[in-house]
Amino acid sequence: ESVLTQSPGTLSLSPGERAILSCRASQSVSDTYLAWYQQKPGQAPRLLIYAASSRATGIPDRFSGSGSGTDFTLTISRLEPEDFAVYYCQHYGSSPPWTFGQGTKVEIK
Amino acid sequence: EVQLVESGGDLVQSGRSLRLSCAASGFTFGDYGMHWVRQAPGKGLEWVSGISWNSETLIYADSVKGRFTISRDDAENSLHLQMNSLRPEDTALYYCARRMKNNVAFDIWGQGTMVTVSS
Repeated sequence: ESVLTQSPGTLSLSPGERAILSCRASQSVSDTYLAWYQQKPGQAPRLLIYAASSRATGIPDRFSGSGSGTDFTLTISRLEPEDFAVYYCQHYGSSPPWTFGQGTKVEIK
Repeated sequence: EVQLVESGGDLVQSGRSLRLSCAASGFTFGDYGMHWVRQAPGKGLEWVSGISWNSETLIYADSVKGRFTISRDDAENSLHLQMNSLRPEDTALYYCARRMKNNVAFDIWGQGTMVTVSS
């Protein structure tokens, strides 16, 4: 079973700053199967990044994904007020087929 | 507009059953694999179950295997989750989600329907 560990648990930053979120897998995963989601309070998750680095439709280019093997990163180049939320990475593997990390909360400092 | 709308959530006693539904609109439902993902209050996301576009593949998380059944009705553009032998730990907001055509990520999500199981 592949486990995804996200760090940090909480990131306290100011608007305009850069956010770097980490997602580490317990075993090597294909970057084709790594995604990132954003979830705001009271809302459903929204797909940001799929295949580790491809932005989903309508996602601003301040969001970027990178990484391979066991280490993946979501970077928000300049935080906008609407970017303060919880972010989850997700992996598709064997058992269970879809696994989410525990989430990183990006909060206003 | 591409949309998923869940329904059927309720407060039920442990051991009872519940059937969730997800109504799809704005896209060709039969072309897509569909999934259920849940979120317990204050917790993270947990994938629950998925069904392929042609209903040939049904998959379940170990935590619900043997108790939950996923199905779809392409004529009605709807996804269902039959939940039997419910447990307090099944208490969560249940989202339906569309799997992308060209990737395994979930690109469209509903707003969720709340299931509460009392002991």
